[in-house]
Amino acid sequence: DTGVSQDPRHKITKRGQNVTFRCDPISEHNRLYWYRQTLGQGPEFLTYFQNEAQLEKSRLLSDRFSAERPKGSFSTLEIQRTEQGDSAMYLCASTLGGPSNSPLHFGNGTRLTVT
Amino acid sequence: GENVEQHPSTLSVQEGDSAVIKCTYSDSASNYFPWYKQELGKRPQLIIDIRSNVGEKKDQRIAVTLNKTAKHFSLHITETQPEDSAVYFCAASKGYGNKLVFGAGTILRVKS
Repeated sequence: DTGVSQDPRHKITKRGQNVTFRCDPISEHNRLYWYRQTLGQGPEFLTYFQNEAQLEKSRLLSDRFSAERPKGSFSTLEIQRTEQGDSAMYLCASTLGGPSNSPLHFGNGTRLTVT
Repeated sequence: GENVEQHPSTLSVQEGDSAVIKCTYSDSASNYFPWYKQELGKRPQLIIDIRSNVGEKKDQRIAVTLNKTAKHFSLHITETQPEDSAVYFCAASKGYGNKLVFGAGTILRVKS
């Protein structure tokens, strides 16, 4: 079990630029979640996938955000036209959904700084 | 939707003392309540969880209690050690492995 891995660990970008983050879940996990965490707050749900299907999106997720999980394995989160308010830690988590449910396992996150 | 409130926001205890963190939830359909520990710059890590069919669960120095009627649950850490210092988050979901709604976190400082 290599755990959930996220890339990059840190990203600094200028306002208005696009950024893309990648998440590789634990290999047998079919559910993948994206969360955002700002300083002093708990993680906030953004969206989740069951295999390749995106089943739920938070109202926090503006139309500048898009997530994909094209083959039901890794996922990408893209933010277009970044704003300073997008600065946060973006956490990915995975779990095995279904009869053999498992707890959510988090990655180390991608810290985004928008200048 | 679900709302989880957590308190206190910060907690300082002497090494060896006990620490208690409390959370309340709003959605009576929530039935799974994990606790995560997050050290600075690291991922949240699950330390203990409880499902709504039990009222208490223990794992060495850590215990969680659940009161479904009052919709609150608590984390108890006994014999605290400096390495327990971290941010602790409670969460709730409708089902194991489903979307978690987190509390705002408690910064625990264990003074030696």
